[in-house]
Amino acid sequence: NAGVTQTPKFRILKIGQSMTLQCAQDMNHNYMYWYRQDPGMGLKLIYYSVGAGITDKGEVPNGYNVSRSTTEDFPLRLELAAPSQTSVYFCASSYSTPATSNQPQHFGDGTRLSIL
Amino acid sequence: GNSVTQMEGPVTLSEEAFLTINCTYTATGYPSLFWYVQYPGEGLQLLLKATKADDKGSNKGFEATYRKETTSFHLEKGSVQVSDSAVYFCALSTNAGKSTFGDGTTLTVKP
Repeated sequence: NAGVTQTPKFRILKIGQSMTLQCAQDMNHNYMYWYRQDPGMGLKLIYYSVGAGITDKGEVPNGYNVSRSTTEDFPLRLELAAPSQTSVYFCASSYSTPATSNQPQHFGDGTRLSIL
Repeated sequence: GNSVTQMEGPVTLSEEAFLTINCTYTATGYPSLFWYVQYPGEGLQLLLKATKADDKGSNKGFEATYRKETTSFHLEKGSVQVSDSAVYFCALSTNAGKSTFGDGTTLTVKP
């Protein structure tokens, strides 16, 4: 029962460095999401994807990029890391159709990222 | 747009106390409503859900009823345990497949 797997769990970056946060799901879900969670705050949607080859911006996309070449994988890339991107990043997936809204999201355990 | 407003925390209770965490929402159409729980160092997990008006979701002693007339989905539990200490998120989902989350309420239960 792997579910949603995120790697790495922790990472420290220097300002200006780049990195890719990996996310994989084995539930054949069509929708995948990236959120950031700042201390004491709720989740903010960065990007989401409704299927392979299709991605769209969420609330806070600036400074990030995504791709979805397969159903299983949805990596998030930071090109030029900035201190404001210090956060916990969660990947999630769900099975949804345009006619349904009742499927919950399944979350990974998060990547804790510090930019110094 | 859609929004979810949760009772501000943190909430501190003694073991076996009654719990209520308030949640109200604004949405177009007919959303599904969810409560998620987040334990320290982990991602969010679905606790319960309700998909239409007057539905009651329940799990592990927690309950919430979808009240369309008051646009609310309050979380309740009759007797909390120390192991219920966590952050609780109310959320809604519409047909677009995206969810809107509240800011979370931190619950601490003391023995």
